[in-house]
Amino acid sequence: NAGVTQTPKFQVLKTGQSMTLQCAQDMNHNSMYWYRQDPGMGLRLIYYSASEGTTDKGEVPNGYNVSRLNKREFSLRLESAAPSQTSVYFCASEGVAEQYFGPGTRLTVT
Amino acid sequence: RKEVEQDPGPFNVPEGATVAFNCTYSNSASQSFFWYRQDCRKEPKLLMSVYSSGNEDGRFTAQLNRASQYISLLIRDSKLSDSATYLCVVNMDDSWGKFQFGAGTQVVVTP
Repeated sequence: NAGVTQTPKFQVLKTGQSMTLQCAQDMNHNSMYWYRQDPGMGLRLIYYSASEGTTDKGEVPNGYNVSRLNKREFSLRLESAAPSQTSVYFCASEGVAEQYFGPGTRLTVT
Repeated sequence: RKEVEQDPGPFNVPEGATVAFNCTYSNSASQSFFWYRQDCRKEPKLLMSVYSSGNEDGRFTAQLNRASQYISLLIRDSKLSDSATYLCVVNMDDSWGKFQFGAGTQVVVTP
C-alpha cells in the first residue's frame, strides 16, 4: 500500500519554465489537496478537490493550475515559474478525520 | 494576525523530561483540532486528534480549551525520537478545504 506518492522529489526550474507535479493516492479517498510549505509559514493550501471532476482554489492559488484526472490522481501545474514559487509542495488526500501526505517535491526556481 | 499561531521554539528538552506547548486559534467556530508531527525534510503525519474532553495516547496528552481558544500538547518521558516539529491543525468549519496549519513548534530532545 503506497499511500500518497508524488513525483518528482526534486526539481530546479528557470524563471518562466513550466512543469507539472504529479500526485496519486491508492486509498480510494475523494478529497485531495495541494499545499506549499515555506519556512516559518506553515502549510498553505493552493488548491483542493472534493471529488473527481471538481477543484477549488485555496489560500494561494495564483500562478498554479490543477487537474483532477481521476479519483487517484491530482496534478499541479506551474505555467510560468517564478522565484516566489520556490518551496516544498505536498499533496495530501483525506480519509476519516485525517490527511495523508505524500513525501513532497522540493522545487527551486532560479 | 495568523489564524493558527504556535511558538516556533526550539524547545530543548532533556531525555526523560516533560515538555508542553500550546497553539492558539482565532476562529471561535473552529470544529476540529489535530496535532501532526513532521520530521526534518519529511511529510507531516497525524500524531493525534484533539477532543473536547482531552485525550491521551501513551506519553502524549492533548487538551482543548475552547473558552481561551487554544490547544495544547504535552509529552511525558521524552525520547530522543520525539525530536521533531509539531504542527497544530485546525479545521475551521468541519468541511474539506478548510484545514489551517500552524507554522510548527520544534522540539529537540537531548541526551
